[in-house]
Amino acid sequence: RKEVEQDPGPFNVPEGATVAFNCTYSNSASQSFFWYRQDCRKEPKLLMSVYSSGNEDGRFTAQLNRASQYISLLIRDSKLSDSATYLCVVKGTYKYIFGTGTRLKVLA
Amino acid sequence: EPEVTQTPSHQVTQMGQEVILRCVPISNHLYFYWYRQILGQKVEFLVSFYNNEISEKSEIFDDQFSVERPDGSNFTLKIRSTKLEDSAMYFCASSVSDRGNYGYTFGSGTRLTVV
Repeated sequence: RKEVEQDPGPFNVPEGATVAFNCTYSNSASQSFFWYRQDCRKEPKLLMSVYSSGNEDGRFTAQLNRASQYISLLIRDSKLSDSATYLCVVKGTYKYIFGTGTRLKVLA
Repeated sequence: EPEVTQTPSHQVTQMGQEVILRCVPISNHLYFYWYRQILGQKVEFLVSFYNNEISEKSEIFDDQFSVERPDGSNFTLKIRSTKLEDSAMYFCASSVSDRGNYGYTFGSGTRLTVV
């Protein structure tokens, strides 16, 4: 089983749609979880940390299910500018472990 | 907003040559990292560095690689004898803490092309 697994997509959605991404991780001892956004040929940028109780930042909602070892990201009212690759990140002892990313394309 | 600065943005080198990639982490950060991303692939961990020593390194980080923090501000990655398969984007990152939900800040990367 891969350490961090994501559906690579692409997810093509119309503007205004709601879209959800899931990610699973293999190490049950993992403590910290994040969603990063990466635009083409750019660096990853922190979108949000993921807390056990779930957390929201504007149109973005992240959830963590420790029992099932998965993390989700929900984007509401998608904008053209949300088009990017969304990286699920699980923190090990001294490092991040990245998923392959899920590509999102928001269509006008 | 504070940022991690990497230079150069793009480096082309001949196979077998040595390269040094430079990074200036955010000034109050104590934990430093190098990652790489081969085109079309996922971001991969190379090495983490704290208190002037390596905390952890991956299998990719073999004897050809080394890191240094020579002067308290720069953090460098050296590849001694580059191979074609070292061509990738190299990202430096820093973090204020290694615990909790402190995210890493990544630099904009150095694109290394080995010919």
